[in-house]
Amino acid sequence: KAGVTQTPRYLIKTRGQQVTLSCSPISGHRSVSWYQQTPGQGLQFLFEYFSETQRNKGNFPGRFSGRQFSNSRSEMNVSTLELGDSALYLCASSLEGRSYEQYFGPGTRLTVT
Amino acid sequence: GQQLNQSPQSMFIQEGEDVSMNCTSSSIFNTWLWYKQDPGEGPVLLIALYKAGELTSNGRLTAQFGITRKDSFLNISASIPSDVGIYFCAGRFQKLVFGTGTRLLVSP
Repeated sequence: KAGVTQTPRYLIKTRGQQVTLSCSPISGHRSVSWYQQTPGQGLQFLFEYFSETQRNKGNFPGRFSGRQFSNSRSEMNVSTLELGDSALYLCASSLEGRSYEQYFGPGTRLTVT
Repeated sequence: GQQLNQSPQSMFIQEGEDVSMNCTSSSIFNTWLWYKQDPGEGPVLLIALYKAGELTSNGRLTAQFGITRKDSFLNISASIPSDVGIYFCAGRFQKLVFGTGTRLLVSP
């Protein structure tokens, strides 16, 4: 069974731009969560989606948004990029009823210049 | 953002040695998980713990869910070079909160 896939793997953007990251969960997994990983703050929860609905949200500004499609694929969007948004963005999927067992993708490395 | 306190921050050991790391929190969790992350990759789930006091093994790895539900530890026995990486604990109540990580280096 294929794992979680994320595209693109690497991205360079400039301040003020916006970016969209994509995540395809493991087949059969309907829950998708997004995390930001930085050396200073570690792994921080962004949001969780299940059946196209946001179920939980972390403490990030409104510039960070996401959505989930009917096939469980998910996208996250960051608008008006800031230098501090440079990070590894990780997507994780899980089975319904076992959302505590999350399986991570390889991440998208975003660099904002 | 909220993080769990994980110790030690880093360890440098010889191949064959046993390793122990732990994670503590001021909050109670109903699930504890341990992940390993290799450079350039996402974390990989190693062990999941669901009940206070639970002791679970996965090969050379053993983890325990603390009785107080505020801590967990991970032991690695007979370490090998491929154990190198960053180990994260994570506690879950309504969302997943991660530890600060333990960087493990193993010398052949």
